[in-house]
Amino acid sequence: DVKVTQSSRYLVKRTGEKVFLECVQDMDHENMFWYRQDPGLGLRLIYFSYDVKMKEKGDIPEGYSVSREKKERFSLILESASTNQTSMYLCASSPGLLVRETQYFGPGTRLLVL
Amino acid sequence: KQEVTQIPAALSVPEGENLVLNCSFTDSAIYNLQWFRQDPGKGLTSLLLIQSSQREQTSGRLNASLDKSSGRSTLYIAASQPGDSATYLCAVPPRRGSTLGRLYFGRGTQLTVWP
Repeated sequence: DVKVTQSSRYLVKRTGEKVFLECVQDMDHENMFWYRQDPGLGLRLIYFSYDVKMKEKGDIPEGYSVSREKKERFSLILESASTNQTSMYLCASSPGLLVRETQYFGPGTRLLVL
Repeated sequence: KQEVTQIPAALSVPEGENLVLNCSFTDSAIYNLQWFRQDPGKGLTSLLLIQSSQREQTSGRLNASLDKSSGRSTLYIAASQPGDSATYLCAVPPRRGSTLGRLYFGRGTQLTVWP
């Protein structure tokens, strides 16, 4: 079974802190994604990566950056956390460049910024 | 950019009912459409993936249909059970020609099945 793990299920941070959210997948997938999910807004794509050291902006990249130094790990960085970044963050991966494959999701990290 | 709409936003039914969840999308030039399930506070789990060449896909009590020309998909759940209570999301990739695996998601239908 594909497994996507996220470093924390719950996280509480203060405004202005630098926050790292880590995601690891164990199936040698090419693509990895970071979404945030908010009530009434659904899932919104922040960033995605289709190869090591490659990244593409999604629909809402402002205030975020990402890092993919190894194929299995994709990190989301909040350079200076703000209260409007309080949200559920979901990481996902998919096997290759073709759009025919599904995405596999991690359990999510619920982030609260005070 | 795809716009994906799901109707209804919420649905509450007694156990045993057959029900239909609806999804519509704006650009019909898609490779496939997927239905996901999300339990409260959890990640998403893929339920069904329908390729553009297919009209429907079945898994147990779930049946998903795809009508590309009208930009619609339905998820049919037969003999619903309380364990089916979750949020159901549909998702489509960008139009044909894109090779990057991103998806566009609807906002989901929150289903409650009561005993």
